Formats: sequence, C-alpha cells, structure tokens
Amino acid sequence: DAGVTQSPTHLIKTRGQHVTLRCSPISGHKSVSWYQQVLGQGPQFIFQYYEKEERGRGNFPDRFSARQFPNYSSELNVNALLLGDSALYLCASSQGELGNQPQHFGDGTRLSIL
Amino acid sequence: AQSVTQLGSHVSVSEGALVLLRCNYSSSVPPYLFWYVQYPNQGLQLLLKYTTGATLVKGINGFEAEFKKSETSFHLTKPSAHMSDAAEYFCAVSDRGYGGSQGNLIFGKGTKLSVKP
Repeated sequence: DAGVTQSPTHLIKTRGQHVTLRCSPISGHKSVSWYQQVLGQGPQFIFQYYEKEERGRGNFPDRFSARQFPNYSSELNVNALLLGDSALYLCASSQGELGNQPQHFGDGTRLSIL
Repeated sequence: AQSVTQLGSHVSVSEGALVLLRCNYSSSVPPYLFWYVQYPNQGLQLLLKYTTGATLVKGINGFEAEFKKSETSFHLTKPSAHMSDAAEYFCAVSDRGYGGSQGNLIFGKGTKLSVKP
C-alpha cells in the first residue's frame, strides 16, 4: 500500500504570497495532521482533521488554514507568507483521532520563502 | 502543558557499541509515547510506541525502549549500533484524552546519532 504522499516536494515563494500544500493519507486512514519542522527543531503541530472536521489547532496564526476532503485528503493553506514560514511541512495520517494511534508521516514539502 | 526533553542534541557512538538516547516527559498523567527516526530529506518513520501494557517495548531495526513512570522517562536503546542507524531521532508524546486534540504529537528537539566505523 502507498504511504502518505505530499505534493509538491519543494516550493519557492516570495514574501506576501500564499501557498497550498497537499496530502493524501494512507488508504483507510481518516485522520490527517499537519506539522511544521524548522531546521534543527522537532516538528510543531499545526492542525488535526478527522472526518472533515477540525479536531485540534496548534499555536499558529490565522494565516494558516486547512481542510479535509470527503476522500480524506487534505490541504494546508498559508497566506501572506513570511520569511519565518520557511520550513519542512509534514503531513501525517492515522486510522482514527485518538492519541494512541500512531501517526504515519509523508516525506514533507520543503517551503522556502525569499 | 506537556513537554518533552531529549538530553543531548548530538550523540556519537562507535559501530557495535550500545546506543542510548534519552527522553523525559513532563506530565502528571502518563501520555502515549513514541520514538521516530528521520533520515536526511525524509519524513519521520515510527520506530516504536508505548500505549499500555508491557513497559519494555520492541521496535523496528533492533531498537527498544522502556517506559519508567517513576522517572517520567522513555529512553531508546539498541545493543549494537550499525552505520545505517546514523539519523536524527525524535521522542514524542500525545495526550490520553479528556478534551482537546489527541492527535497533537508533542516532539522533543531531536538527537542526532552519529556512528563511527
């Protein structure tokens, strides 16, 4: 079975632009979470979606938004990009929303802001 | 709020030596505990998890970890290091529930493991 797939793999944007990142979960997984990983740090939680509803939000500004589609794929949108948004954005999927269910990560989208 | 501390941002061992990567969490209620590995330019791969039951858990690639409630620790070990183990390792926790997002993994800052020939 295919793992979590993310697109694009790399992206270069300039300050003020917006970006959309995409994620397809493992087949059968209904929960998708998004994380931001800045160089040299551990991932930071941005959002969790389960059955198309937002289940949790991390400490990120309103410029960050996400949604989940009926096929459980997800998009992360970031508006008014800042230099500090440069990071690896990771998507993870799990079968359900509970904390004891392991999350499986994609290879991420590396976003560079010029 | 939950936090995870990984002692040592960089650990170096010789091939064949014991690997010990330390992880402590801060929570009055033991969380669910995970170890992930990240190779360069890749996402995170689950090594092992503790949710309930036996406190010594075995994972992939010969790694294991022991949950010690009294020490709030979940250290990762491997008896004999291989060159292929060189990577960054992250300890993570998630809440057992009672409100809020349970899908919120809280990660430590990571430990980069180097293996010398």
